[in-house]
Amino acid sequence: SQQGEEDPQALSIQEGENATMNCSYKTSINNLQWYRQNSGRGLVHLILIRSNEREKHSGRLRVTLDTSKKSSSLLITASRAADTASYFCATDALFNDMRFGAGTRLTVKP
Amino acid sequence: DAGITQSPRHKVTETGTPVTLRCHQTENHRYMYWYRQDPGHGLRLIHYSYGVKDTDKGEVSDGYSVSRSKTEDFLLTLESATSSQTSVYFCAISDRQGAYNSPLHFGNGTRLTVT
Repeated sequence: SQQGEEDPQALSIQEGENATMNCSYKTSINNLQWYRQNSGRGLVHLILIRSNEREKHSGRLRVTLDTSKKSSSLLITASRAADTASYFCATDALFNDMRFGAGTRLTVKP
Repeated sequence: DAGITQSPRHKVTETGTPVTLRCHQTENHRYMYWYRQDPGHGLRLIHYSYGVKDTDKGEVSDGYSVSRSKTEDFLLTLESATSSQTSVYFCAISDRQGAYNSPLHFGNGTRLTVT
């Protein structure tokens, strides 16, 4: 069964706008990871945030984690057409395998 | 890209036939995984390996078997393919150390259609 659930399922924005995607999960976790998938390709790792971290940045990406609410958000600032992809969160607990959500489909219009 | 090659990239097979998918890595990572991706379900783990000849089941392992005779190769076998196994299959690797998961590196997938 899925552990992470992304919201919204689909998001369409204009180039230059910010995109925010959310992930909720049910059980305690060790870390949470975000991945991107371009059409017809495998997933690419974006960022990992540990359970004792609250925020992490990587370039135009900002990830937050709220373990009390069992949720995480991925913010992409100043989006580009090349950011069009599906984005997945993945969670794991100690010794457990990672569980992926169904993803958010982001479309950035030029 | 991490050195992961999946073969074949596409396959069409008939119900009841055996099918083997191959994953080859050049990164010397200890952990290898097979996932399937279906609309509305995200990625679901089929089997994984934590070393040569060391494998374990994931959440959707029924109807699948795996083998790992060398560090670099991880094979997924559908003994008797069914239409419900039509999916996109992804291999992933990680240099996981101990109990904590590390980032996964994915291959580009195999699209399998069972008619």
